[in-house]
Amino acid sequence: ETGVTQSPTHLIKTRGQQVTLRCSSQSGHNTVSWYQQALGQGPQFIFQYYREEENGRGNFPPRFSGLQFPNYSSELNVNALELDDSALYLCASSSVTNEKLFFGSGTQLSVL
Amino acid sequence: DAKTTQPNSMESNEEEPVHLPCNHSTISGTDYIHWYRQLPSQGPEYVIHGLTSNVNNRMASLAIAEDRKSSTLILHRATLRDAAVYYCILHKETSGSRLTFGEGTQLTVNP
Repeated sequence: ETGVTQSPTHLIKTRGQQVTLRCSSQSGHNTVSWYQQALGQGPQFIFQYYREEENGRGNFPPRFSGLQFPNYSSELNVNALELDDSALYLCASSSVTNEKLFFGSGTQLSVL
Repeated sequence: DAKTTQPNSMESNEEEPVHLPCNHSTISGTDYIHWYRQLPSQGPEYVIHGLTSNVNNRMASLAIAEDRKSSTLILHRATLRDAAVYYCILHKETSGSRLTFGEGTQLTVNP
């Protein structure tokens, strides 16, 4: 089995810019979810995608958006970056029949 | 969502058992109890989950109180590699991949 991979591992942006983070799901998994983890806190759910459609969203504004592709890779896009968006962004994949989530190692985003 | 309460930190010695407690007094009948851990510089890793009965797997054991208001994650022989933040999470099947993480327990393993 291939694991969940995320790119890039680190990224520096300035306030107001836009960013795209990428995730490749584990083979056979059709659900992907994204989490934001601030320093010293647990991950917070952003949204999940199933069959290329968003079907669950946490308490995040619309400037956080995503895409899921037919090959189950996905993207997280954040527009109009704010300083508070600095965090570790985690992607997780799962299959409908399996309750386990498999997380990638994350992308560390710094907004200056 | 029902909330879990865990100690902020715990310490253990290498090769000794570790019992990590979790309180969830407002748990509902459809809540599964999940445990994940997060090693430094990595994403969370699934450890174990259960509903009512105790569960065992190659990583750990999960002991669930009869009233389900608390549970304990048991690492039978701690190793240095088990040093991580351990999260106890209540999860409904209808929530999909939405997990509500708290702050977890930072486990330190002493050599």
